[in-house]
Amino acid sequence: QKEVEQNSGPLSVPEGAIASLNCTYSDRGSQSFFWYRQYSGKSPELIMSIYSNGDKEDGRFTAQLNKASQYVSLLIRDSQPSDSATYLCAVNQGGKLIFGQGTELSVKP
Amino acid sequence: SAVISQKPSRDICQRGTSLTIQCQVDSQVTMMFWYRQQPGQSLTLIATANQGSEATYESGFVIDKFPISRPNLTFSTLTVSNMSPEDSSIYLCSVAGSASTEAFFGQGTRLTVV
Repeated sequence: QKEVEQNSGPLSVPEGAIASLNCTYSDRGSQSFFWYRQYSGKSPELIMSIYSNGDKEDGRFTAQLNKASQYVSLLIRDSQPSDSATYLCAVNQGGKLIFGQGTELSVKP
Repeated sequence: SAVISQKPSRDICQRGTSLTIQCQVDSQVTMMFWYRQQPGQSLTLIATANQGSEATYESGFVIDKFPISRPNLTFSTLTVSNMSPEDSSIYLCSVAGSASTEAFFGQGTRLTVV
């Protein structure tokens, strides 16, 4: 079983829609969770961090964490073509970030 | 967040040679990591660079192949030794303020081995 799992996609949504990205993890002891955005040919860029159960909102982005279900998600509201990228879920396990395989998001104008 | 400078940004190397990648941070950081991202793949942790001591390597990575130095809290190097085409990848330096906080990445080194 992979430690951090994401649907690889591609996920295609129309401009203005909500994009929903999901991630599950195997280590119940994990306490820190992150979403990174990676444009093609660029390095990962941190967009959200979440440490407690529930929702955390930052602009058009909402991260959701459910530790009991070992599930973390990212919602992108009012999706824009500039949001087209690969989104990487990362879980801190023992002081190290373990990444999922990433979900490719395509926002169509 | 810290400014992370990684160089070279890209290189094309002959098989059998070695390449050293440098990572310089503009402030002292507790944690420094080296990742590899193979074409079309996600990030795989190579090792944690420990200041003043030997790096901690992940399963599948060994010191002879990927020697790492970290002489102080702002600088680290990763060497890719005796390269083969399978080492063609993007290598990324990452820093974090503590073991539980978010990590930030340098711009990466795109390595092609021919």
